Amino acid sequence: EVHLVESGGGLVQPGGSLRLSCAVSGFTFSHYEMNWVRQVPGKGLEWVSYIDSPGSATHSADSVKGRFTISRDNAKDSLYLQMNNLRAEDSALYYCARGGEYWAFDIWGQGTMVTVSS
Amino acid sequence: SSELTQDPAVSVALGQTVRITCQGDSLRSYYASWYQQKPGQAPVLVIYGKNNRPSGIADRFSASSSGDTASLTITGSQAEDEAVYYCNSRDSNINYLVFGGGTKLTVL
Repeated sequence: EVHLVESGGGLVQPGGSLRLSCAVSGFTFSHYEMNWVRQVPGKGLEWVSYIDSPGSATHSADSVKGRFTISRDNAKDSLYLQMNNLRAEDSALYYCARGGEYWAFDIWGQGTMVTVSS
Repeated sequence: SSELTQDPAVSVALGQTVRITCQGDSLRSYYASWYQQKPGQAPVLVIYGKNNRPSGIADRFSASSSGDTASLTITGSQAEDEAVYYCNSRDSNINYLVFGGGTKLTVL
């Protein structure tokens, strides 16, 4: 069975940093593109970052560009999101999602909550 | 524009057909994908590509597209279809990928 399990969320002060992780199982991680998507509770989905299967190409939303870095370790079946210079508006539930055909997100984790507050 | 626009809310009578739309310039070039999200749960992919359903998704869900508008149709709506539906696609402009704002579907 396919699983994506996020971790690393928590409470952090404005300007601080966090590193999110997503551990995957049940499929060949190195064959798939991956993404981070976030959602403020009660609000809509916002795509955050994308990484291709070998980890050589990345893209990020304008709202996080220069502050967030997506990466992966195919040997460890893990996806990461390094978040620096965090702002209150970055507070959200962060999902990792597998990239499928036609840029769809075909498998989602359950999310890890990030709260940026003093 | 790098946005996808959805109606905030739509309602449908039990057993009837409903269409949820998603509008944006990027849809002239790329297919929309559709997701169902129920309260407290992660989103679930229901349609991708031209009109493809992942394994386990009921065949009452279908998709179509014309110009800058993509549509998700639920034929014979069930109570369990009540949820928020999001579209997404590859973006033509600023961001690489983009989501619509979501449509809350109420089944009456």
